[in-house]
Amino acid sequence: DTAVSQTPKYLVTQMGNDKSIKCEQNLGHDTMYWYKQDSKKFLKIMFSYNNKELIINETVPNRFSPKSPDKAHLNLHINSLELGDSAVYFCASSQYPRGGALYNEQFFGPGTRLTVL
Amino acid sequence: AQTVTQSQPEMSVQEAETVTLSCTYDTSESDYYLFWYKQPPSRQMILVIRQEAYKQQNATENRFSVNFQKAAKSFSLKISDSQLGDAAMYFCAYRSAQIQGAQKLVFGQGTRLTINP
Repeated sequence: DTAVSQTPKYLVTQMGNDKSIKCEQNLGHDTMYWYKQDSKKFLKIMFSYNNKELIINETVPNRFSPKSPDKAHLNLHINSLELGDSAVYFCASSQYPRGGALYNEQFFGPGTRLTVL
Repeated sequence: AQTVTQSQPEMSVQEAETVTLSCTYDTSESDYYLFWYKQPPSRQMILVIRQEAYKQQNATENRFSVNFQKAAKSFSLKISDSQLGDAAMYFCAYRSAQIQGAQKLVFGQGTRLTINP
């Protein structure tokens, strides 16, 4: 019954490797997000996709490439991993507001803890 | 750009007592949403309470209530009858009410709340 799921939950890898984190939501939402939580617990938006189209890219290095094959999935691929990429990455989803409904809650996945050695 | 500031990195309270977590924000917008999220050790992000800026009435959810001061750009969270399960990181967050590209959450630095038995 998981609403927003991420795989894997933990990822340990060496510097320079390429890795992917997958996200899937079964809520029927049309907007998905990636947030990064650093070692000081600070959470910041990285990307947002609406109907598979990129709508937010918050000055994230080109090594990070999100891919949305369909509305229910938003994957995050990271090339040439660096020590500073170690963090918890959260996927979230919501319905894009339309009509009179300006507010739609964002639902978060359980997070993926990435450790780069 | 909007910013959110939580000036209390850590707070502690005795079980069954009341605690207030502070949050201030900066924005030039007149319509927006404010949130408090709870992140227990499980890392799951849980929405605690939401406030619409156009509403003067402070939001309340059971033991959780907010003190929203729009002119002062202040949004504090009060937890009454604190319980051991309330121990977590608490994040204040802001979201614009504008539709276009407005879906990202802007988070504060977080406050770690400890409940003493």
